[in-house]
Amino acid sequence: NAGVTQTPKFRVLKTGQSMTLLCAQDMNHEYMYWYRQDPGMGLRLIHYSVGEGTTAKGEVPDGYNVSRLKKQNFLLGLESAAPSQTSVYFCASSYGAPSYNEQFFGPGTRLTVL
Amino acid sequence: AQTVTQSQPEMSVQEAETVTLSCTYDTSESDYYLFWYKQPPSRQMILVIRQEAYKQQNATENRFSVNFQKAAKSFSLKISDSQLGDAAMYFCAPNDMRFGAGTRLTVKP
Repeated sequence: NAGVTQTPKFRVLKTGQSMTLLCAQDMNHEYMYWYRQDPGMGLRLIHYSVGEGTTAKGEVPDGYNVSRLKKQNFLLGLESAAPSQTSVYFCASSYGAPSYNEQFFGPGTRLTVL
Repeated sequence: AQTVTQSQPEMSVQEAETVTLSCTYDTSESDYYLFWYKQPPSRQMILVIRQEAYKQQNATENRFSVNFQKAAKSFSLKISDSQLGDAAMYFCAPNDMRFGAGTRLTVKP
């Protein structure tokens, strides 16, 4: 039982390049989330999904896209990376709604955009 | 926008002593859970403790306990008998996908 895994762990991009971050969970959780963590700002929600085939915007969705084609996977895409997207990205999942359920987190991806 | 406030960016405690981390939030819901998460230097976020808002009794998990004041929308975390391994960032998370800015806890030997 690997829990929540993220690929890659580190990445350096140049401005304008694109990339996809992959999140996978093996706990059969319905809900999945993408957060970014910046110093002094805690975690901010980018996008989330309440089930396979569904996605919704969070607090800071601009510049990101997501897809949940399979229940166990949640992809975060950056179409044209900007230095403001330099951050640590965390994926999380929960069995049910976050109001009542613990979130399980991946180890994070440190992204630097030059 | 609804807010989560952790007013102590940094805290320090002597090993074996007790420390309390504060958190206030706003919500329009009446039935919800609140969570405290720990992020050690490894970056891996893990759950420390959860509180059910409809329960008047404060939650306890070993050395960790909460002081939940529903009317005041306050949810503080008390760590007793602090250990070196408690050094980490601590984030409070009220009933949904919001997190506070975090409190960095240092434990002095």
